[in-house]
Amino acid sequence: EVQLVESGGGLVQPGSSLKLSCVASGFTFSNYGMNWIRQAPKKGLEWIALIYYDSSNKYYADSVKGRFTISRDNSKNTLYLEMNSLRSEDTAMYYCAGSYRDWFAYWGQGTLVTVSS
Amino acid sequence: EIVLTQSPTTIAASPGEKVTITCRASSSVSYMYWYQQKSGASPKLWIYDTSKLASGVPNRFSGSGSGTSYSLTINTMETEDAATYYCQQWSSTPPTFGAGTKLELK
Repeated sequence: EVQLVESGGGLVQPGSSLKLSCVASGFTFSNYGMNWIRQAPKKGLEWIALIYYDSSNKYYADSVKGRFTISRDNSKNTLYLEMNSLRSEDTAMYYCAGSYRDWFAYWGQGTLVTVSS
Repeated sequence: EIVLTQSPTTIAASPGEKVTITCRASSSVSYMYWYQQKSGASPKLWIYDTSKLASGVPNRFSGSGSGTSYSLTINTMETEDAATYYCQQWSSTPPTFGAGTKLELK
């Protein structure tokens, strides 16, 4: 059974940092591109970052470029998202998702990040 | 970036009714993908490559379209189909999602 389990969310103040993790099991993690997708409360889905299966390429949405960093450790089947200079508009549920070709095949249950003073 | 516009935003359907959700792209895309999200849960891949049903998806669902116009159809609405449906493209980066269509039970 495929599982993606995110962790690391929480309540933080504007301007602070947070690091999310996503542990994968049930599929060959090292073969898949991995993504972070977020969903603000009562809003739609926003893709924010992609890392290739071998970490050779990384892409970011303009909304997080320069503030967020995606990384992975294939030896630990783990995906990360380091978030700096957090803003209130970053408040959202953060999902990790494995992509196959052009779609998001596997999703985690999400971890909630709340940025508020 | 390619903008996806879904319509309607919300729709209510009775069991047995036919439902169609449309997704229009601001530029031509090769394929469209659809996800189902129920309240409090993460999205699930529902349709891939425009018309192929993901594993476990009932065959009352279908997808079609090309170019800039795509649709998801439920042949006969069932109670369990009440959810929000999102379309998604990745013909160009960044991948983008439609704003979602909330399907409610009438």
